[in-house]
Amino acid sequence: AQSVTQLDSHVSVSEGTPVLLRCNYSSSYSPSLFWYVQHPNKGLQLLLKYTSAATLVKGINGFEAEFKKSETSFHLTKPSAHMSDAAEYFCVVTPGGNEKLTFGTGTRLTIIP
Amino acid sequence: AAGVIQSPRHLIKEKRETATLKCYPIPRHDTVYWYQQGPGQDPQFLISFYEKMQSDKGSIPDRFSAQQFSDYHSELNMSSLELGDSALYFCASKNLGLNTEAFFGQGTRLTVV
Repeated sequence: AQSVTQLDSHVSVSEGTPVLLRCNYSSSYSPSLFWYVQHPNKGLQLLLKYTSAATLVKGINGFEAEFKKSETSFHLTKPSAHMSDAAEYFCVVTPGGNEKLTFGTGTRLTIIP
Repeated sequence: AAGVIQSPRHLIKEKRETATLKCYPIPRHDTVYWYQQGPGQDPQFLISFYEKMQSDKGSIPDRFSAQQFSDYHSELNMSSLELGDSALYFCASKNLGLNTEAFFGQGTRLTVV
């Protein structure tokens, strides 16, 4: 069985400062990991994905995440927050193949002007 | 590029009525997932299909049923609607053979009154 724990339900940062959204996973297999973003009243958009290639994954809008197997973590970072980054972020795991996506409980990111 | 299409985008139904939600996956995607996202909640897996066969089942009530048709579109049928069924329903598709990531539709917002 797989699971995802997003360690912070709410993160607030000032515009222009770094963003760190934390995610730990557990999976019986070598997992595929994803970060999705959801803006208010919008659908889910893929930010980036890890599928057993490079451990440092670069995504859209300046986001990146590092897969650390020893720490079972897949934290999302961005060097400089922008107002448009305010949204809900979901860390998602799947063992691969046809298995369902398992979502974390989400982290709401607020950007302070 | 073609995306996952869900219809309708918004639906208002009364208690005990029936609703049908439709999902049109990206062309050549053979796998469809359905998720339910309640207010302020993370998406919960309902059911998935691969090549028109049910492949996994999550927390889907017995009042709900779903199927995938020969053209790969999928429908989620919901009967005896309850107030608690009010949620955003997402469909996602992927190509299992190519092991692509899952692409989500914009969702159908169902309101039961």
